[in-house]
Order: sequence, then C-alpha cells, then structure tokens
Amino acid sequence: SAVISQKPSRDICQRGTSLTIQCQVDSQVTMMFWYRQQPGQSLTLIATANQGSEATYESGFVIDKFPISRPNLTFSTLTVSNMSPEDSSIYLCSVEGATGGLNYGYTFGSGTRLTVV
Amino acid sequence: EDQVTQSPEALRLQEGESSSLNCSYTVSGLRGLFWYRQDPGKGPEFLFTLYSAGEEKEKERLKATLTKKESFLHITAPKPEDSATYLCAVQGGANNLFFGTGTRLTVIP
Repeated sequence: SAVISQKPSRDICQRGTSLTIQCQVDSQVTMMFWYRQQPGQSLTLIATANQGSEATYESGFVIDKFPISRPNLTFSTLTVSNMSPEDSSIYLCSVEGATGGLNYGYTFGSGTRLTVV
Repeated sequence: EDQVTQSPEALRLQEGESSSLNCSYTVSGLRGLFWYRQDPGKGPEFLFTLYSAGEEKEKERLKATLTKKESFLHITAPKPEDSATYLCAVQGGANNLFFGTGTRLTVIP
C-alpha cells in the first residue's frame, strides 16, 4: 500500500501568519485528499487535489484560506492562511491505499498538529 | 446526505472482556464501509473495507460485519495494546470518505 510522508509533524504559530504542510507519496496517485480533525472531533474533508487542475473544496472551506498545490502525481501542499486560534487542529493528507480497488482502503499521513497562539 | 453515527463514544473493557462497537450509517449508493484505528498523535490506520451486506472480515482479535444499516466491530479477548480510537467511515458517490466521531476504547490490564 502507499506510504505517505507528511511534514511538519507539529507546529506552534502566531495568529495572522500562514503555515504550509507538505505531503509526499511513494507512488503516483490521481487524487489526494486533505482532512482536518479538530480536537475531540472526527475527520472532515477540506478539499480534493488533482494534478493539473484546481482543487475541489468542500462546503465551508475556501481557496483563499486553504490554498492547495498539486505540482505532480506524488506531492501536494496545503497552506493554512491568516491563522486564528480556531484553526488549531490536526491536518491530514490521504490517498487511495493501492491502485485497482479499495481493499487497502485509504492511507493517511501521520498528520500535522497545528496550534495557533 | 451521508451520515455516520458511532456508539458508544467511549468504552472501557477489562483485558479479555469481549465487546462490540457499532457504526450506523446512511449513504446513497454505498461503495465501501471502512474501519480505522487511530492512536493518539497519529493518522488513522486502515483495518477493513466492507462492500455489501452480509460480508465479514477478520484480523487478529478484530472482526467486522456489515448489514444494510450498520456495521459492527467485534473485539474478542482484547489486550491493552488494542486501546485506541476506532473510526468508521463510508464512501458513497464521492471519492472521499465520510467519518463518524469514533469510539475511544480503553482496555485495562
């Protein structure tokens, strides 16, 4: 199954600043997903990133706040812009576990724990 | 709208005390129901995919079952290392997963 390297693993940021999270996959994948997990909550999809096209954002998430890049089939970045304490969460990227079916599920990175002060 | 409800929110078991976690779901056109394990500070770890009612899958002390409305994760003779949050997710028409809020399992030695 796919292996994801996500960084940074954690960061503490000042309000009003921006943080870029990187997600590197060890194989080529069509779609990459970015999720947010707020304290004590489950995972909520932010956007789907396809190579060669603009990301597709879920309701409640906008490109100005969460710009995404997808320069190739193995890499994506998510930026959290103009941060406020409400952005304190764990951010995770995800891809299909393996090509050819869902028997391997979706693989997740280890997450980025963001604290905004 | 896709909906996933997990119960109980938290569960404490003695080592060796078997139990089940519940995941009730509503989804248009189920493509898959997924179970994940999440340890503190880590991303979810894939356990099972179930596709249709009546399907069962097993892995060590875990067994997942699926009906048209719910899924169960049965834990047989749990050990302290089984302590984690167990997440259920469904995939309908979209490519992404829709998650429940999880069951936090604690197994006491």
